[in-house]
Amino acid sequence: ELQLVESGGGLVQPGGSLRLSCAASGFTVSNNDMTWVRQAPGRGLEWVSVFDNYGNAIYADSVKARFTISRDNFKNTLDLQMNRLRAGDTAVYYCARRLGYGYGLDVWGQGTTVIVSS
Amino acid sequence: DIQMTQSPSSVSASVGDRVTITCRASQGISSWLAWYQQKPGKAPKLLIFTSSSLQSGVPSRFSGSGSGTEFTLTISYLQPDDFATYYCQQYNTYPWTFGQGTKVEIK
Repeated sequence: ELQLVESGGGLVQPGGSLRLSCAASGFTVSNNDMTWVRQAPGRGLEWVSVFDNYGNAIYADSVKARFTISRDNFKNTLDLQMNRLRAGDTAVYYCARRLGYGYGLDVWGQGTTVIVSS
Repeated sequence: DIQMTQSPSSVSASVGDRVTITCRASQGISSWLAWYQQKPGKAPKLLIFTSSSLQSGVPSRFSGSGSGTEFTLTISYLQPDDFATYYCQQYNTYPWTFGQGTKVEIK
């Protein structure tokens, strides 16, 4: 079974840091495009970042220079290091897989909640 | 950034109805468009990719069409399990962008 499980969410103060992790099973993350998508409370979906199968990391402008996406091929995980967090980063963060160019996001995790508040 | 605009924002429909949701892109995206279904508290589920390709396991009552800037998702015979929010997403250009969502509610 193809599965993604996120972890690492929680409550953090503005300006703080948090590291999210997404563990994959049933497939190899390095063979796919892996992405983070977030959803603020009561809002729609917002793409955050992608780490493609070529090793390229691309970010939304809203998180550029604050967030870093990475991949651990040994652990088969996708991570998101989030620094200088703001209230506007409060959301459920989903990791998702794309098989490759042209495909949609076909495997999603259950999401992990990040709350940025003092 | 490419803006994705869905219409309507919500629709009330009955079981058995045909429902059509439109997604417009602010610039051409060829056929690089996906549709997702999301239920409250759950992750999105991929329905359609490359505008009209049905994801494996998705019922055939879901169909997609369009290219360039205008796309549609059609649910041909609405079932109780289909009441949810639907999102389009373009992946022609970074940043990938989603529509604001269309909520399909029970009439």
